[in-house]
Amino acid sequence: GAVVSQHPSWVICKSGTSVKIECRSLDFQATTMFWYRQFPKQSLMLMATSNEGSKATYEQGVEKDKFLINHASLTLSTLTVTSAHPEDSSFYICSARGPRSSYEQYFGPGTRLTVT
Amino acid sequence: AQRVTQPEKLLSVFKGAPVELKCNYSYSGSPELFWYVQYSRQRLQLLLRHISRESIKGFTADLNKGETSFHLKKPFAQEEDSAMYYCALRGGAAGNKLTFGGGTRVLVKP
Repeated sequence: GAVVSQHPSWVICKSGTSVKIECRSLDFQATTMFWYRQFPKQSLMLMATSNEGSKATYEQGVEKDKFLINHASLTLSTLTVTSAHPEDSSFYICSARGPRSSYEQYFGPGTRLTVT
Repeated sequence: AQRVTQPEKLLSVFKGAPVELKCNYSYSGSPELFWYVQYSRQRLQLLLRHISRESIKGFTADLNKGETSFHLKKPFAQEEDSAMYYCALRGGAAGNKLTFGGGTRVLVKP
């Protein structure tokens, strides 16, 4: 089946530093990946759509200079939280559109970011 | 704008009882609707989608365009059904993006 991994699964960083989160499609190529943010006991909020070889499309209200997305290959998208602040602490989840079907998204396990 | 509403944050039922999770949407075109499930400490995964009209793990969901609803039902809940359930919509205006409802936590008691 289609598997999506994320690395790291959790990270703690200090205020003002940057942290990179990787999202990989392990056994399929994904031209489109999505990045979500999930606060405790809340739903997933789409942050941006990542397209291989082109700029990401950000949702309204998401700062593209703060949340840098790079989708340099068909199996890897990265999200870099720059100059992190405690309010950036959250659960970040990526998904990738499936290899054959156009409808299904396969989700990664998520990355918990804590900014101290 | 498209929106998905799940009015119940928590549903608690006894094992063997029916369970129905409500989902209402607002969308001006023909939407694609999905139910995703997230078991404890696991990733989000697709449960079913309306186009397939299938039953997965005993769950069914019918798209009612008149009522703009896509409620999820199971006649006899099992303890292993305890999880977070998210209704999601994908519409033309948002391209391939999924819009999620707020989620409903289902707790099936023995």
